[in-house]
Amino acid sequence: EAQVTQNPRYLITVTGKKLTVTCSQNMNHEYMSWYRQDPGLGLRQIYYSMNVEVTDKGDVPEGYKVSRKEKRNFPLILESPSPNQTSLYFCASSSFQGNGQFFGPGTRLTVL
Amino acid sequence: EDQVTQSPEALRLQEGESSSLNCSYTVSGLRGLFWYRQDPGKGPEFLFTLYSAGEEKEKERLKATLTKKESFLHITAPKPEDSATYLCAVQNSGGYQKVTFGIGTKLQVIP
Repeated sequence: EAQVTQNPRYLITVTGKKLTVTCSQNMNHEYMSWYRQDPGLGLRQIYYSMNVEVTDKGDVPEGYKVSRKEKRNFPLILESPSPNQTSLYFCASSSFQGNGQFFGPGTRLTVL
Repeated sequence: EDQVTQSPEALRLQEGESSSLNCSYTVSGLRGLFWYRQDPGKGPEFLFTLYSAGEEKEKERLKATLTKKESFLHITAPKPEDSATYLCAVQNSGGYQKVTFGIGTKLQVIP
């Protein structure tokens, strides 16, 4: 089954404790991206990647890091989380730029 | 800066009552305009991609159209299961190929 998986689905953590949210897709897609979704602000792109070792900033990259060492994986790293990073995070992938994206189920993160 | 504005923010329809959702956009170069459906607590589900003005796509009760400044999602004879938030997004065609989403239209279809 074609899918994008994210782990964990739910996470409560404390300010400053480094964390990684994993994302994996099984469709051999080149394009992957991370979004956060907040009430009243909609989905905002954090980072995206057009292929292995090629990443670029979206609209809200501050406080986040990404890496793309393998085509299927695109982890999101929060090196020192803060309460303003409390949000619902989605990973997505598509076969090439300009195609609709497949979204993962989301990760709800709370930073205390 | 790319921008996407969706209207209305919320829409309540009786079952069978057709209507349209609007997505106005500004982008320096359009690679694609996308429509998604999102159910509460779930990731967005891809519906359509439109690439150029004049293009139309259909899927069941949904039809998406595109002009140079806006896109419409027409819903014909909606059913309660069409209730969801509908999201519009644009992807820039430049080397900087980020995606910008609108806030969405929350649709409720009453039986």
